[in-house]
Amino acid sequence: QQQVKQSPQSLIVQKGGIPIINCAYENTAFDYFPWYQQFPGKGPALLIAIRPDVSEKKEGRFTISFNKSAKQFSLHIMDSQPGDSATYFCAAFQGAGSYQLTFGKGTKLSVIP
Amino acid sequence: NAGVTQTPKFQVLKTGQSMTLQCAQDMNHEYMSWYRQDPGMGLRLIHYSVGAGITDQGEVPNGYNVSRSTTEDFPLRLLSAAPSQTSVYFCASTRSGKLESPLHFGNGTRLTVT
Repeated sequence: QQQVKQSPQSLIVQKGGIPIINCAYENTAFDYFPWYQQFPGKGPALLIAIRPDVSEKKEGRFTISFNKSAKQFSLHIMDSQPGDSATYFCAAFQGAGSYQLTFGKGTKLSVIP
Repeated sequence: NAGVTQTPKFQVLKTGQSMTLQCAQDMNHEYMSWYRQDPGMGLRLIHYSVGAGITDQGEVPNGYNVSRSTTEDFPLRLLSAAPSQTSVYFCASTRSGKLESPLHFGNGTRLTVT
């Protein structure tokens, strides 16, 4: 049973475009939603994260939008650059002390110059 | 500061062979975990540990064994390798007791079982 559904699987945008990656979850016990960025040959690294009591969080060019009632959240990358080309994973975390992240299946983003 | 170090980077095994994937962290993190990454499947949790001497199963534990004798090390053992275990394996660690502590990942071990 996939607890975090991520779409699209892949995404190609022109430099300067705004790619949007969407995630949806069912388990209302999730209380922390991080996004991880992974470059080829490397492990994932935390990019940005949000708690469900916040509707939006910005860090630089990256923004998370969170809709608690719809159980959906999304990542927007403003003014995308070729260096943003990577695989992005959304994740959900249930409860302090659990430390078990449930990951989406990932979105491979390509930003074309 | 090395962070999370995984060895080897690449490994080829024959069906039925056993091996141990090594993972070490130098951040004094209590929590360590192993994930496997397969195309189109995301990252799936194999086993995790919340401290020395304590381990538990994740989503896909079958065919794998772990132990945690020290805070720094968390090896993953494949007892009898199968082609279905061909994957990229990631070790990760974080501080316990803090919801927003990020997972720190190693750079992975790419395993092929023929």
